[in-house]
Amino acid sequence: QVQLVQSGAEVKKPGASVKVSCKASGYTFTSYGITWVRQAPGQGLEWMGWISAYNGHTNYAQNLQGRVTMTTDTSTSTAYMELRSLRSDDTAVYYCARRRLGSWVDPWGQGTLVTVSS
Amino acid sequence: NFMLTQPHSVSESPGKTVTISCTGSSGSIASNYVQWYRQRPGSAPTTVIYEDNQRPSGVPDRFSGSIDSSSNSASLTISGLKTEDEADYYCQSYDSFGGGTKLTVL
Repeated sequence: QVQLVQSGAEVKKPGASVKVSCKASGYTFTSYGITWVRQAPGQGLEWMGWISAYNGHTNYAQNLQGRVTMTTDTSTSTAYMELRSLRSDDTAVYYCARRRLGSWVDPWGQGTLVTVSS
Repeated sequence: NFMLTQPHSVSESPGKTVTISCTGSSGSIASNYVQWYRQRPGSAPTTVIYEDNQRPSGVPDRFSGSIDSSSNSASLTISGLKTEDEADYYCQSYDSFGGGTKLTVL
């Protein structure tokens, strides 16, 4: 079955960087994109951007431009999301999800909690 | 940026029907497909409707989706409500998510 498994929880200090991984299985990795979404505690879903696993094309949310980088490693069917210059309001659960036609995202990974605290 | 607005919360009794709206701010909501996701506490979202009105396998036909171009909105309708339907529901179109609607079944 199609599955996305994310890396474990992280605790970072303000100003640091975090890199979250998302390992895909059960489908042809390069036939789909990967979308990243985050959810701050008690808040809604925020679209961060997506990357094509076919050609590496990316599209980032405007408010994260310059701080976020999404990459893929097709040899291991793994996607990565790096966020730099972390602030306390970056504390959130970060999800990856397979991007399908029409921007539908399914399934989702289990989520990775990133806590930014001094 | 295309913004999607949902009611913060809705409540209804078991067995009844509830409709959750998702209104687009600018541009036509019909320009891109709308998806609906259900999120239970502590879990990742799962799809209940994709491409405006399609149900993934395993989602009962009590769930339906529609688009109303005249009001620039999408709707998720759940009939025959069950207590297990209690969750947060999010609409999504292209790169935008609605703010989410908390459904209470009481």
